[in-house]
Amino acid sequence: AQSVAQPEDQVNVAEGNPLTVKCTYSVSGNPYLFWYVQYPNRGLQFLLKYITGDNLVKGSYGFEAEFNKSQTSFHLKKPSALVSDSALYFCAVRVGSGGSYIPTFGRGTSLIVHP
Amino acid sequence: DTAVSQTPKYLVTQMGNDKSIKCEQNLGHDTMYWYKQDSKKFLKIMFSYNNKELIINETVPNRFSPKSPDKAHLNLHINSLELGDSAVYFCASSQGTGRSYEQYFGPGTRLTVT
Repeated sequence: AQSVAQPEDQVNVAEGNPLTVKCTYSVSGNPYLFWYVQYPNRGLQFLLKYITGDNLVKGSYGFEAEFNKSQTSFHLKKPSALVSDSALYFCAVRVGSGGSYIPTFGRGTSLIVHP
Repeated sequence: DTAVSQTPKYLVTQMGNDKSIKCEQNLGHDTMYWYKQDSKKFLKIMFSYNNKELIINETVPNRFSPKSPDKAHLNLHINSLELGDSAVYFCASSQGTGRSYEQYFGPGTRLTVT
């Protein structure tokens, strides 16, 4: 089945340190991959997406993601974490064919940035 | 200006009641969605409409009925509410149905069934 997986339920990092939130995918054909962030009691916000082109995609709030075809991964990164980055992060892909692609989300990774 | 809005933000009701949640987007998108997020934060798509036509209907009980009066609105009506319906419901929209389109989410409606 086509899907994305987030292997870590929680990631802890100290403020100022680099952070990585992992995502792997299983998609037939070219993968179109997304990252979203959900702050407490809020809806999801789009961060960035990979369609084609450069494997390093830059997004909102200083986040970037690296697409790695050989490892089927799309990890979210930030060089220097902020306490305000603490939130729930979702990796997503749209799966299907024809004109209808169903959005499918990973189970989410809770990022906790310690002061 | 709020891009995707939902009302109400909180909904507390008793089992067996019927309730509705409204959603509106002012982004000019032609595709809208309803999601359910459970207590473990797992996000599952329920429905999707494109230009007022139903295009995605995941395995959702018949008690849930979406209605799209126009491209900017997608409402969710729930009949005979059950305890298991308690969750946060999110509305979202996107520019189209293709694989490359990101989604924009509303703030959510927290439904509690007692």
